[in-house]
Amino acid sequence: DAGVIQSPRHEVTEMGQEVTLRCKPISGHNSLFWYRQTMMRGLELLIYFNNNVPIDDSGMPEDRFSAKMPNASFSTLKIQPSEPRDSAVYFCASSFTGGEGRYTFGSGTRLTVV
Amino acid sequence: GNSVTQMEGPVTLSEEAFLTINCTYTATGYPSLFWYVQYPGEGLQLLLKATKADDKGSNKGFEATYRKETTSFHLEKGSVQVSDSAVYFCASQGGSEKLVFGKGTKLTVNP
Repeated sequence: DAGVIQSPRHEVTEMGQEVTLRCKPISGHNSLFWYRQTMMRGLELLIYFNNNVPIDDSGMPEDRFSAKMPNASFSTLKIQPSEPRDSAVYFCASSFTGGEGRYTFGSGTRLTVV
Repeated sequence: GNSVTQMEGPVTLSEEAFLTINCTYTATGYPSLFWYVQYPGEGLQLLLKATKADDKGSNKGFEATYRKETTSFHLEKGSVQVSDSAVYFCASQGGSEKLVFGKGTKLTVNP
């Protein structure tokens, strides 16, 4: 398996633009997590899905952020409009029920909003 | 809810030194506990875990013991190598799939 695949690896965009981050989880995994990592706040859970259904979105910063999981093999995290304070590394991770906390992380998307 | 507190970094050691990174947790019930490692430019990887009190997780020379009486899960390694330079995250998992991570501790090992 190729692991969790995220795209793009790097994204530079102007303030006010829409940004879409993509994630392909490991086949057979039924939970998917979006995290944001910054120096100031560390690793923050934004939202997680189980069997394609959002279970906990309490970490989503505000209405500018939205996430979808239309099927078991694809998820998106969208920011519209983007702001400089959204600059961070965004990680996607997947796991399976009974995996006992064994997450597989993608390599992350480094987002810079100028 | 569950939370994890780990020692602030950064930690700088010489090769072959002894490593301890402290981690304590708060939780209702008895969570599973984990250490994840993040090498530069990569995502986090599971290093070791323990699912109940007195369990010891170990991997690549690293160890951590689940101590219920002190609510701790400290990471140790007897002799660090330059290749161990990374950021280390303590995490807990309660009754859901969700992992709660600490803020991370950056370790630098000098030759």
